Amino acid sequence: TQLLEQSPQFLSIQEGENLTVYCNSSSVFSSLQWYRQEPGEGPVLLVTVVTGGEVKKLKRLTFQFGDARKDSSLHITAAQPGDTGLYLCAGLLTGTASKLTFGTGTRLQVTL
Amino acid sequence: DAGVIQSPRHEVTEMGQEVTLRCKPISGHNSLFWYRQTMMRGLELLIYFNNNVPIDDSGMPEDRFSAKMPNASFSTLKIQPSEPRDSAVYFCASSRSGDKYFGPGTRLTVT
Repeated sequence: TQLLEQSPQFLSIQEGENLTVYCNSSSVFSSLQWYRQEPGEGPVLLVTVVTGGEVKKLKRLTFQFGDARKDSSLHITAAQPGDTGLYLCAGLLTGTASKLTFGTGTRLQVTL
Repeated sequence: DAGVIQSPRHEVTEMGQEVTLRCKPISGHNSLFWYRQTMMRGLELLIYFNNNVPIDDSGMPEDRFSAKMPNASFSTLKIQPSEPRDSAVYFCASSRSGDKYFGPGTRLTVT
């Protein structure tokens, strides 16, 4: 079983639509990160959240860390084709130093 | 900055052969990580180094896998002997303050 479950696994939407991706766990994380990965490339860090309830915005992307620091969400407003990619959440368990645990991933496709 | 550099980008080898993957981290970064990505298991941490010292290798699947970091600017991941189930994309990442920067990966195919 995966420590971090993401949903949905796949999402195909049209340009202009809104979407939310969820990252859930039964474990508590000291911090949580979101990455985007495009085909043939490595994951690229989008954001790090560290405080329960924290909300961060990156242009049309809104990231929220759950109050109990067990879950997180990524909301994209007015999706564009350039948002297409694999979105990965990754959590740092308390006391595990640099050992990030990655989620199962959500593959997003935005079409015109 | 050149980013994390990995070589080769693609490797096709026959079962039983030795495979060596190479990584050059970003200059000034003191932590280096090796990950493996497959469709079935996603992105898994194999091993990581702090200041060239291996800290946690609990993710290394078997004794066939070994990793070294002889200096701050170079690391290798070796598989000997390779098996078809080792086929995956192997990523190297480096960090200084916690934010990880990933290389482009090496796609390994073992036939």
